Amino acid sequence: GAGVSQTPSNKVTEKGKYVELRCDPISGHTALYWYRQSLGQGPEFLIYFQGTGAADDSGLPNDRFFAVRPEGSVSTLKIQRTERGDSAVYLCASSPIGTSDYNEQFFGPGTRLTVL
Amino acid sequence: DAKTTQPPSMDCAEGRAANLPCNHSTISGNEYVYWYRQIHSQGPQYIIHGLKNNETNEMASLIITEDRKSSTLILPHATLRDTAVYYCIVRDGTVGYNFNKFYFGSGTKLNVKP
Repeated sequence: GAGVSQTPSNKVTEKGKYVELRCDPISGHTALYWYRQSLGQGPEFLIYFQGTGAADDSGLPNDRFFAVRPEGSVSTLKIQRTERGDSAVYLCASSPIGTSDYNEQFFGPGTRLTVL
Repeated sequence: DAKTTQPPSMDCAEGRAANLPCNHSTISGNEYVYWYRQIHSQGPQYIIHGLKNNETNEMASLIITEDRKSSTLILPHATLRDTAVYYCIVRDGTVGYNFNKFYFGSGTKLNVKP
C-alpha cells in the first residue's frame, strides 16, 4: 500500500517568506508526527497529532511554526517569516495508534527546505 | 535530551555480522529501546524494539544487557544496502507527556564495505 507522502520534495524560498509543507499519512493512521533534521544530525521532534488535535507541540521552536490536521488525516506544517536557520529536511511520520507500547512510526521521504 | 550514546561511525565487511552498540545508562524501568536506520536521502525506517528480553526479527537481533544500561543491534549478514545511519532511541513506555517523542541523537554511520 501507499506509504507516507510529503509535498513538495524540495522547497526553496527567500528569507521572510511564508511556506507550507504537506504530509499525507498512511490511510487509517491516527497518529502523525513532524520532525526536523538538520545536516549531520538526527531528526528532532516538533509536534505530534492524535487525530485532529495537537497532543504535544513542545518541539516547535517558536511561534513562527504552526501545524494543523483539520480532518485527522492530511497535515500541514506552516512556517511564517522564514529564516536561514529554518533550512532543513522536514520529516513527517504516522503510526496506527499513539497509545500502544508498539509505536512503529512510518516516515515519509521528507521535504528539503532551503531559505536563501 | 541525550538519552543514548552511540559511536559516530563503524565499518563492516560485506557478509559479516555488524554489531552496533548503544549506551543508555539512565534508562528507566518503563522505557523501551528502539532502533531505526536512515539510508541516505530517505526517511528513517523501523528495525526492531525491546524492553527487557532479546528480540529477533527478519531484519536484525536486539541484545539488551541484564541491567538494561546498554544494547547491541546485530545485523547477521551485512550487505552493501545496509550502509546507513543507525539510531538507538529510548522511548518512554508510559502513556503521557513523553510517550510519543522519539529522541534520535546523531546515530552511528555504518559503512558496509565489499
